Amino acid sequence: GQNIDQPTEMTATEGAIVQINCTYQTSGFNGLFWYQQHAGEAPTFLSYNVLDGLEEKGRFSSFLSRSKGYSYLLLKELQMKDSASYLCAVKDSNYQLIWGAGTKLIIKP
Amino acid sequence: ETGVTQTPRHLVMGMTNKKSLKCEQHLGHNAMYWYKQSAKKPLELMFVYSLEERVENNSVPSRFSPECPNSSHLFLHLHTLQPEDSALYLCASSQVLGEGGEQYFGPGTRLTVT
Repeated sequence: GQNIDQPTEMTATEGAIVQINCTYQTSGFNGLFWYQQHAGEAPTFLSYNVLDGLEEKGRFSSFLSRSKGYSYLLLKELQMKDSASYLCAVKDSNYQLIWGAGTKLIIKP
Repeated sequence: ETGVTQTPRHLVMGMTNKKSLKCEQHLGHNAMYWYKQSAKKPLELMFVYSLEERVENNSVPSRFSPECPNSSHLFLHLHTLQPEDSALYLCASSQVLGEGGEQYFGPGTRLTVT
């Protein structure tokens, strides 16, 4: 079966750095997405990786290793507004998105 | 504001009611999706439309019936639902179905079945 694993919840301190991991087992691979979802709101797109390596976008970076079936989202200089759920999703061989259950990130002052 | 709107935002319905959820995208996209989001569970893809044709139906019970009258609008018709159908229903769109292309989500309809 297809599976996406990510931690259920993480806690970090304002101003610090946090890394949210995602491992996947899917039938085929056509890219990995990270989304941010604040409570009661729509998921919003953060990043897309299809080749191995690090993609940097401001305070957020996303890394992919296809051989290991592994990705992480790195958030730097954490702000209180970064408190949200972070969803990892992989596009499989049928171009269908397979979703993880999300990681709830709690930022403390 | 993602360019995808959903109405209503909240809905409470009894098991014998019939209601419809509406989604509209203002992005000129060709693909639209219905997802179910339950607490602490992955997003479940329910239906996919590409150029107004249904291309995916992931074993969804017949009490959920989608309709896509044009590329900008998507409906989800509900009838004789069960309490376990209570969830957040999200609509999304993407430019095309297939390679690349992130999905843009609406704010969702919080559905409670009593």
